[in-house]
Amino acid sequence: GNSVTQMEGPVTLSEEAFLTINCTYTATGYPSLFWYVQYPGEGLQLLLKATKADDKGSNKGFEATYRKETTSFHLEKGSVQVSDSAVYFCALSGQGAQKLVFGQGTRLTINP
Amino acid sequence: DSGVTQTPKHLITATGQRVTLRCSPRSGDLSVYWYQQSLDQGLQFLIQYYNGEERAKGNILERFSAQQFPDLHSELNLSSLELGDSALYFCASSARRGLAGAGDTQYFGPGTRLTVL
Repeated sequence: GNSVTQMEGPVTLSEEAFLTINCTYTATGYPSLFWYVQYPGEGLQLLLKATKADDKGSNKGFEATYRKETTSFHLEKGSVQVSDSAVYFCALSGQGAQKLVFGQGTRLTINP
Repeated sequence: DSGVTQTPKHLITATGQRVTLRCSPRSGDLSVYWYQQSLDQGLQFLIQYYNGEERAKGNILERFSAQQFPDLHSELNLSSLELGDSALYFCASSARRGLAGAGDTQYFGPGTRLTVL
């Protein structure tokens, strides 16, 4: 079945550092890929998404590119802020199916 | 604010009991999804309803059931509760127009935290 694997956390960085959170997936066909963020005590919010190969999703300075050849959707940000501290989830929805399959989540802490 | 509401925010109950979690989707959304978030299992899809009908089922236990009503709100019923059912239960909605596609964004509610003692 479909699955998503994220880099192990937690990740701790200093403000203005470069961020990469790795995400790889296993799926048949052409899934859609998502990054969701969960701030403390809140539900999940969509951060960005890409629905076909080579698409780049971007939002709030975060970017991720759908790479079919490496089955990856790594999340990057050039300069993180304290307010980016949260748990980040990579997810996919399989071709023809709408349910989301999530990775295990990566807790990110940014220190001032 | 995603526009998806869930009640109650917190629920504390005892083993063997039955509870009902409620979800109101964003205005006009036809699909409702239920997910369970626990420390050991992570975020798992339970069930999806589309315009009142069950559309897809995930790892939902037989003790759990759900329905979507004509006004599109949904309820998740959990019965014969066990300690292991303690988790955060999220509802999400999508599909304002027509049938949902696999790339549709799902909008999540704030969740209901269930504690079974």
